[in-house]
Amino acid sequence: AQKITQTQPGMFVQEKEAVTLDCTYDTSDQSYGLFWYKQPSSGEMIFLIYQGSYDEQNATEGRYSLNFQKARKSANLVISASQLGDSAMYFCAISAEYGNKLVFGAGTILRVKS
Amino acid sequence: DTEVTQTPKHLVMGMTNKKSLKCEQHMGHRAMYWYKQKAKKPPELMFVYSYEKLSINESVPSRFSPECPNSSLLNLHLHALQPEDSALYLCASSQEWGDNEQFFGPGTRLTVL
Repeated sequence: AQKITQTQPGMFVQEKEAVTLDCTYDTSDQSYGLFWYKQPSSGEMIFLIYQGSYDEQNATEGRYSLNFQKARKSANLVISASQLGDSAMYFCAISAEYGNKLVFGAGTILRVKS
Repeated sequence: DTEVTQTPKHLVMGMTNKKSLKCEQHMGHRAMYWYKQKAKKPPELMFVYSYEKLSINESVPSRFSPECPNSSLLNLHLHALQPEDSALYLCASSQEWGDNEQFFGPGTRLTVL
């Protein structure tokens, strides 16, 4: 069984500052993938970034980076230079290597202040 | 075309109605998914289709009936729903079942009266 824990129900960040959203996971699989999705109030789930369990380098996609610490089973999302449009719900998710069932965490609501 | 479309955006139905949700993608993806998302909760997987065949049914009640007429289309037929079925229904697709990234549609907000 796989489990994702997001301990921050809500976060505030000042515009142009960086913010870290926490995610810890539990899995018995040797090979797995970690994902972050953004969900604005409109409802669409937007893929942000992916980290494979065997990837040695932390994933980066533009202003998003994933701080992957395998021994601690954490996969925190770092958003640099926050923008007002970053205000949304953010979900961390995990999937096993075989079978593409995504298991989501409870989510973190991020609010960017101007 | 790199998007998943869903219709309708909003749907209000009575408990005795029959309605259908539609999902379409033209990315050549062979895996498609239905998720249900209650307010302020994460999405929960309902069904997975791989190569137009039902691969996963997460013990969903029979009042929800999925259908995959072809590789680009995924329907969810609704009949005799309950008010607690009111939720956002999200469709997603991926290149293959087991691929890293799922592309989600904007969802259909369903209200059952």
